[in-house]
Order: sequence, then structure tokens, then C-alpha cells
Amino acid sequence: DVKVTQSSRYLVKRTGEKVFLECVQDMDHENMFWYRQDPGLGLRLIYFSYDVKMKEKGDIPEGYSVSREKKERFSLILESASTNQTSMYLCASSSLTGAGNTIYFGEGSWLTVV
Amino acid sequence: GQQVMQIPQYQHVQEGEDFTTYCNSSTTLSNIQWYKQRPGGHPVFLIQLVKSGEVKKQKRLTFQFGEAKKNSSLHITATQTTDVGTYFCAWNTGNQFYFGTGTSLTVIP
Repeated sequence: DVKVTQSSRYLVKRTGEKVFLECVQDMDHENMFWYRQDPGLGLRLIYFSYDVKMKEKGDIPEGYSVSREKKERFSLILESASTNQTSMYLCASSSLTGAGNTIYFGEGSWLTVV
Repeated sequence: GQQVMQIPQYQHVQEGEDFTTYCNSSTTLSNIQWYKQRPGGHPVFLIQLVKSGEVKKQKRLTFQFGEAKKNSSLHITATQTTDVGTYFCAWNTGNQFYFGTGTSLTVIP
């Protein structure tokens, strides 16, 4: 079975803290993604990576950075958390075969910044 | 860039009623996918359509891709409480995936 695992399901952090969200996939997928989901806004892409050490900005990269040191692991970093980053964060992966792929999501990480 | 509208944003139906959600794009899409997200869960792939005018069925769910490949719909016949959730259309170009804003379905028993 396809598996995308996010390390933390629920987190509460203080404003200004550095936050790490970890994601691991076991499907040997080349592509990995971080989305945030907010009511009425759907899924918005923060960053994605199509290879180890490669990263591309998505639609809303400001305030975030990512790290992909190994193929199976993609980390999202909030350098200095702010209350407007309170959201649900979804990690996902897909294989590198172009249009018509499907994307597999982790369970999500609910982050509250107080 | 591509703009895709998904409507309605919310829908409440009585159990047994039908439900439809629509995605409309300003440009031609190479493919369309549909995902379902249960409350508290994560989006899960339902189906993919790639051909103009394609229609696919999964039990009570019918998926259509428009002739011009600019719109798509998901229709649920005789909704059940297990259909509750948010339905997203999505498409991908190259390595990127894009999602509609989703339709949140509530089924009233």
C-alpha cells in the first residue's frame, strides 16, 4: 500500500518559534509536495521538489522553506512561525511520469500558532 | 495562468437526494482528476479522466469530462451519509498538481 507519513498530526507552537514538519514516503516517488489547506481556499501549493536537493516555489512560499536531503523525505520549515500560518499542512508525493499522474497525500498536520 | 472554478462551495442535501459539483476551466485541461476528503482526513484519489467527452462511473458516482476538456462534473445519485466530505477536482501538468477550491457536501439523514 502507498504510504505518505507526516511526523506530527497536531502541533501548537508559539509565535516566532522555528517549526519543522517532516514527511516520508515509501513509494520511491520522485516528486514531493507541501500544501496548506484553509477553509474556502482549497489546497495551495507551498513548495515542491522533483528530485533530491531540488526545490521549486509553489503559489505561497513566503515564510516557508523546505529541505530534501533524501529521496523519501521532504521537510517543511517555518523559520519564524506566525499566527497566519495556523493551518492544516498536507504532504504529498507522486511519480515522475508527467501528465495523468495521481498524487498521494499524508494524513495532514494541524498546526496552531499562538 | 489557468483558472479553475469549482462550484458550489458548499452543498447540503437530504439523504437520498442527488448531488453534483462542477469544475470549469478557462483553458483546456490535459486531464482531470477527482479526490474526496472525508472530514478530518486527507484527499484520496477517486478517478482520472483524460479523453474529451469521457464518462466514467463508480457505483453511484458519475464523472464527466467535457467535450472541450474545459469542464468536468461529479454527480452522486441518491446520496448516503458516507458521501459526506469535500470533493476536489484536480489536474496536473508535468510535475505540478493543481486543485479546485473544493465542494463541501453535507448529507442530512
